[in-house]
Amino acid sequence: SAVISQKPSRDICQRGTSLTIQCQVDSQVTMMFWYRQQPGQSLTLIATANQGSEATYESGFVIDKFPISRPNLTFSTLTVSNMSPEDSSIYLCSVEGDYNEQFFGPGTRLTVL
Amino acid sequence: RKEVEQDPGPFNVPEGATVAFNCTYSNSASQSFFWYRQDCRKEPKLLMSVYSSGNEDGRFTAQLNRASQYISLLIRDSKLSDSATYLCVVILWMDSSYKLIFGSGTRLLVRP
Repeated sequence: SAVISQKPSRDICQRGTSLTIQCQVDSQVTMMFWYRQQPGQSLTLIATANQGSEATYESGFVIDKFPISRPNLTFSTLTVSNMSPEDSSIYLCSVEGDYNEQFFGPGTRLTVL
Repeated sequence: RKEVEQDPGPFNVPEGATVAFNCTYSNSASQSFFWYRQDCRKEPKLLMSVYSSGNEDGRFTAQLNRASQYISLLIRDSKLSDSATYLCVVILWMDSSYKLIFGSGTRLLVRP
């Protein structure tokens, strides 16, 4: 499975600010995925990021709030914009395996005050 | 009804016990199934896939019952290190793309 790293691992931010989370994979992958896991909840897919095209967002998530970049086949960023306390969550990037299973990065724990 | 449902637990068992978790799914078109393990404050990690005929990996056995739309995970000879949250994941294909649906997880506590 791919080795995935994320930066930052955690952050505490003020409401109204934005945070960009980076995800690096040690091999080239077509699709990268961004998930959110709110406290005590399961994972929710935010968007799918394909290199060379616009990200595809799931219902309830919009590009203005969660802009995504995918400049190459090993890297992606997710920005959480104009943050509010409701955005406090763990944000995870992932890549798919040979059988569509997901392999996750270590996550970014975000707290918005 | 949730697309994927799990008993949140916690299941509190002694070391050496056998414990089983079930996970039900609502969409009969679901095609692939997995169990993930998530330790506290860590990312989910793939534990095992679930095959139609059932499959075993050491102390772990996964089974699929398509007729009743559930999957199960059996852990034998529980270890303290098995304490974690176990997430059931279902893959649903729609047109030419797929969607992973995660259960909310079942928490297992193995005590000495």
